[in-house]
Amino acid sequence: QVQLQESGPGLVKPSETLSLTCSVSGGSISGYYWNWIRQPPGKGLEWIGYIYSSGITNYNPSLKSRVTISVDTSKNHCSLKLSSVTAADTAVYYCARMYSTSSYWLDPWGQGALVTVSS
Amino acid sequence: DIQMTQSPSSLSASEGDRVTITCRASQSITTYLNWYQHKPGKAPKLLIYAASSLKSGVPSRFSGSGSGTDFTLTISSLQPEDFATYYCQQSDNTPYTFGQGTKLEI
Repeated sequence: QVQLQESGPGLVKPSETLSLTCSVSGGSISGYYWNWIRQPPGKGLEWIGYIYSSGITNYNPSLKSRVTISVDTSKNHCSLKLSSVTAADTAVYYCARMYSTSSYWLDPWGQGALVTVSS
Repeated sequence: DIQMTQSPSSLSASEGDRVTITCRASQSITTYLNWYQHKPGKAPKLLIYAASSLKSGVPSRFSGSGSGTDFTLTISSLQPEDFATYYCQQSDNTPYTFGQGTKLEI
């Protein structure tokens, strides 16, 4: 059974770069799309973007200028970088695998990593 | 972006009740609609994909229906473990978008 685990610093200073890793266990990262989603405190879910195992990416236009998602198949993980962060980027960040057949859905998800942006 | 509007935003119910949550898309998404259950501090869980397909292992009291712009998630008989927040999500077009959530409370 595939399991995902997000990891990274829980505190980032304003204007710096947020960096998170999603480690995949119980299965291969190859052949799937890997998504990042976030949830600010008290708010809804926002899709950040995805990467296919080959390296193809698709980002939310609202974040595109600041986001980089990468994949390392040798380490079976993907990573999220979000630059020039502000307090508005404080959120729980989730990674999720996307199934793509005749439709597309997110399953499974990681438990999430809380990142606080504060000096 | 496709806007997803869920209703109600919160719902009080009792064990054994039948509840229905609705999700409306701002444009047609055919059946590219998924439902997730989220409990605090836990990973969101997929319940229904492609509008009406039940994920393997999810209890049959959960069901989904709809196409185009209007969708529903129904829980036929609430169990204690069902009290959570439920989200719809469209996967027809990027950026993928979610409804604002429906918090199901006792």
